[in-house]
Amino acid sequence: GESVGLHLPTLSVQEGDNSIINCAYSNSASDYFIWYKQESGKGPQFIIDIRSNMDKRQGQRVTVLLNKTVKHLSLQIAATQPGDSAVYFCAENRGSTLGRLYFGRGTQLTVWP
Amino acid sequence: DGGITQSPKYLFRKEGQNVTLSCEQNLNHDAMYWYRQDPGQGLRLIYYSQIVNDFQKGDIAEGYSVSREKKESFPLTVTSAQKNPTAFYLCASSAQGNQPQHFGDGTRLSIL
Repeated sequence: GESVGLHLPTLSVQEGDNSIINCAYSNSASDYFIWYKQESGKGPQFIIDIRSNMDKRQGQRVTVLLNKTVKHLSLQIAATQPGDSAVYFCAENRGSTLGRLYFGRGTQLTVWP
Repeated sequence: DGGITQSPKYLFRKEGQNVTLSCEQNLNHDAMYWYRQDPGQGLRLIYYSQIVNDFQKGDIAEGYSVSREKKESFPLTVTSAQKNPTAFYLCASSAQGNQPQHFGDGTRLSIL
């Protein structure tokens, strides 16, 4: 069935390196995507979103890239810090205009000093 | 500060008991959502509400009930019909349409 998924369940990087977290989606109707960060025992925290009329969007130390041709989404974190260690989720709307989101399983990012 | 408050942080349920999880927001958001998260899993939608006095079932609504009598509040009841209620429950809210959902810090429900 159609689902939001992630290429890798875990990612380990050294402090100061750049991190890239990937997400594949299969619903061509999806036109809104969000990345969330979830620390242990807490609720997900909004990082950045992107709509399908854009290929790239930048925030503070983060960049989201959207490739609609291959239905791929990525989150790039520059100069990764220990505080970036968390589970990262991508979510898509599957064409819904009602605000519903569909979440992937998440990628655990671990940053080593 | 504006945000979403979930209470209690930890909750224990006895067999055959209904329990209610509280979710309050002061963001003036129209839409509210309840998700369930199991270990190592993503979020699954239980119920959502786009406006006061209206709500829709999500993907795993069986064994749960909600109400939306006020814009600020969206309580979730886990009924005795829910046979596997142990999970982390997350409430979220958003403005109308495709806007970011903002989450509370969750309630962890366990069975005694």
